[in-house]
Amino acid sequence: RKEVEQDPGPFNVPEGATVAFNCTYSNSASQSFFWYRQDCRKEPKLLMSVYSSGNEDGRFTAQLNRASQYISLLIRDSKLSDSATYLCVVNPGYSSASKIIFGSGTRLSIRP
Amino acid sequence: GAVVSQHPSWVICKSGTSVKIECRSLDFQATTMFWYRQFPKQSLMLMATSNEGSKATYEQGVEKDKFLINHASLTLSTLTVTSAHPEDSSFYICSARVLGIDSPLHFGNGTRLTVT
Repeated sequence: RKEVEQDPGPFNVPEGATVAFNCTYSNSASQSFFWYRQDCRKEPKLLMSVYSSGNEDGRFTAQLNRASQYISLLIRDSKLSDSATYLCVVNPGYSSASKIIFGSGTRLSIRP
Repeated sequence: GAVVSQHPSWVICKSGTSVKIECRSLDFQATTMFWYRQFPKQSLMLMATSNEGSKATYEQGVEKDKFLINHASLTLSTLTVTSAHPEDSSFYICSARVLGIDSPLHFGNGTRLTVT
């Protein structure tokens, strides 16, 4: 079983749609969680951290369920510019040297 | 804050030559930096963890003599691809974190290496 698993995608949705991505992680002791987006031929960029209480940033909502070891990202009113690969990222350890683990990514394509 | 700068952004070199890539943390100190490689349409793959003042830790299958890492200061790590071959052509990305378990990784803008 992979340490971090994501919906494989690709997701192809119309502009304005709501889309949700899921991610599960295997290490129950994992400490912190993030969503990144990566555009084609670019470096990953932090989209948002994921907190236990759930958090929202504009059209984006992230949720964490520690009991089920499950993370989600919801994008509302999707825009063409949301087309990218979304990476679920898990920090398993206590120190800043801990190797952060990346999911394989979910490709999202928004069509006009 | 938490800016990571990587240089060069792209490089084309001939087979057999060596290429050095620099990664700098501009506004924070990074005792640890991470080097990734990404082939087209594939996931990021961690190559090695660069530790300031000590030897890097390489992931399984990554040749330490081919990918030389030096982390001589708290703001600079370098990756040297020695005797590069076409199969080394890839997107190399460094990253670092501010101290604190909840801090995310910040990435450099990556280096696209093409070996001809």
